[in-house]
Amino acid sequence: KAGVTQTPRYLIKTRGQQVTLSCSPISGHRSVSWYQQTPGQGLQFLFEYFSETQRNKGNFPGRFSGRQFSNSRSEMNVSTLELGDSALYLCASSLAERAATFFGQGTRLTVV
Amino acid sequence: GQQLNQSPQSMFIQEGEDVSMNCTSSSIFNTWLWYKQDPGEGPVLLIALYKAGELTSNGRLTAQFGITRKDSFLNISASIPSDVGIYFCAALNYGGSQGNLIFGKGTKLSVKP
Repeated sequence: KAGVTQTPRYLIKTRGQQVTLSCSPISGHRSVSWYQQTPGQGLQFLFEYFSETQRNKGNFPGRFSGRQFSNSRSEMNVSTLELGDSALYLCASSLAERAATFFGQGTRLTVV
Repeated sequence: GQQLNQSPQSMFIQEGEDVSMNCTSSSIFNTWLWYKQDPGEGPVLLIALYKAGELTSNGRLTAQFGITRKDSFLNISASIPSDVGIYFCAALNYGGSQGNLIFGKGTKLSVKP
């Protein structure tokens, strides 16, 4: 079966713009989490959605938001982009709370 | 917050050698996961461990869930050039501002042909 799919793979945006990233989880997985990965900070948790509800949120400013649709697909949005938002954004899905978590290939966002 | 201490940070080995890396924590976890990440790609799940003492293999990879539930190790036997990458341990944490997964900082593996 298909893995976690993230689109787009690469994105270049200008400071001040906003961006929307998309994630389709593995079929049947209802939990979707988002992570930001940078060389300096490593993998940092953004938020987790389960059945269209945000269940958990990391320590990121309100410019970072997300949502999940009824088909479990998820989007994350970053408004008023800053240079420091340049990172690999990873989406992960899992079947249940205690199950293994699978990652997508990521979206490489570059803010110039 | 909770932390996973992963070591070593990097390894530079000869092809054919065995590799061992581990993760420790002061907290107890119920699930340990090992991932491999290539540059610019997402982490790929290698092995999932759900029970203390469990020893699980995936080809040349073997991982164990420590009996105290505070540690895990990953071994790679007879390394080959395509083993190059960064290996992360992770533990499932159910909620909190750190999210469901707590990650180690990674072990960067380089293999000399």
